[in-house]
Amino acid sequence: DTAVSQTPKYLVTQMGNDKSIKCEQNLGHDTMYWYKQDSKKFLKIMFSYNNKELIINETVPNRFSPKSPDKAHLNLHINSLELGDSAVYFCASSQNGFTDTQYFGPGTRLTVL
Amino acid sequence: SQQGEEDPQALSIQEGENATMNCSYKTSINNLQWYRQNSGRGLVHLILIRSNEREKHSGRLRVTLDTSKKSSSLLITASRAADTASYFCATGPGSARQLTFGSGTQLTVLP
Repeated sequence: DTAVSQTPKYLVTQMGNDKSIKCEQNLGHDTMYWYKQDSKKFLKIMFSYNNKELIINETVPNRFSPKSPDKAHLNLHINSLELGDSAVYFCASSQNGFTDTQYFGPGTRLTVL
Repeated sequence: SQQGEEDPQALSIQEGENATMNCSYKTSINNLQWYRQNSGRGLVHLILIRSNEREKHSGRLRVTLDTSKKSSSLLITASRAADTASYFCATGPGSARQLTFGSGTQLTVLP
């Protein structure tokens, strides 16, 4: 069974559209994350979230928003997509706190045309 | 600015040789982690070393941490073609509540 899963794996869309990426973890972890990896493989934290706290990286545009319907899911909503949003987005989870070992999903490659 | 930075950016070796990658960071940490990313895949955790530890082993992996120099190294012994991947260090700073990743070292192991 996949520990952290994301859908879709690939997402191609036009500028200005709104899209969502879903993430689910079956590890029973309390904390989930969204990362953006650019074309140079630099991995940047976007959000860290548990049932008590949402930490938002201040460089993330407010067009991006995390939504957590329950502890096992953290979805990423993106409004008014821009060309610069093209990247690979990774979801991750951890058991004990924000700096514990993280388990990553397979990634979603977003291409904005 | 980036907390962790790997060196070298790219490394190419022959199968059977050892590979050493380095990571430098800037602020105090409570732990440092190494991850591997195969092409087109998510990151996989390899090893975590705490700030009060100096060395840790896991199979063919050896990680060292020098907090006085704010640096860590990852040694892969007897490399295999399957070790070809990008390797990232991630620091868990004491004052922040998130991991910060470097830009990675691309390791290529030639058969």
